[in-house]
Amino acid sequence: ILNVEQSPQSLHVQEGDSTNFTCSFPSSNFYALHWYRWETAKSPEALFVMTLNGDEKKKGRISATLNTKEGYSYLYIKGSQPEDSATYLCAPYNFNKFYFGSGTKLNVKP
Amino acid sequence: DTEVTQTPKHLVMGMTNKKSLKCEQHMGHRAMYWYKQKAKKPPELMFVYSYEKLSINESVPSRFSPECPNSSLLNLHLHALQPEDSALYLCASSRLAGGGGELFFGEGSRLTVL
Repeated sequence: ILNVEQSPQSLHVQEGDSTNFTCSFPSSNFYALHWYRWETAKSPEALFVMTLNGDEKKKGRISATLNTKEGYSYLYIKGSQPEDSATYLCAPYNFNKFYFGSGTKLNVKP
Repeated sequence: DTEVTQTPKHLVMGMTNKKSLKCEQHMGHRAMYWYKQKAKKPPELMFVYSYEKLSINESVPSRFSPECPNSSLLNLHLHALQPEDSALYLCASSRLAGGGGELFFGEGSRLTVL
């Protein structure tokens, strides 16, 4: 079992604030890392699939970086909007399995 | 069609009941997954099917019985469950098993065992 830690567990920000979360995972035998966005009463949706050390991916106001040598990934949201409110899950992929973190629950207040 | 459809959305069952959860995808994906998620915990892998064959069973109790009748369908048969089995059951699919490709999830089936 891979120990995946996400921090913070929850986050409350005002509309327009920028924010970031962390995903930590064992760096050995790394293969890939996924970020998923999970809105309440909906299905988790993939944001990013990252494989290379130093990878940076961007989708609109959301971006992610990956450091496989030290075992962490950051997710950044610039200028948070209420529609960004969701739980953000990271999932390293290793040994043919995804190992999910418990997620960071983001609440953006208008 | 990029949807994974799960039914029912909610299920309440007694410990002696037999019920099934169903999952369907029409994306041509050859890998399908069952995950279990309890409140404030990460989704936990239960089973993986690859090309309609069970490839991973994460030591799940036999009261959970998966079935993959064809490449589009995945069932989870439930029998003699315990109250601690109450959870959200998520189905997912990916193009192939292995390789770390993107997972496509359903909205889940919320199970309550009385």
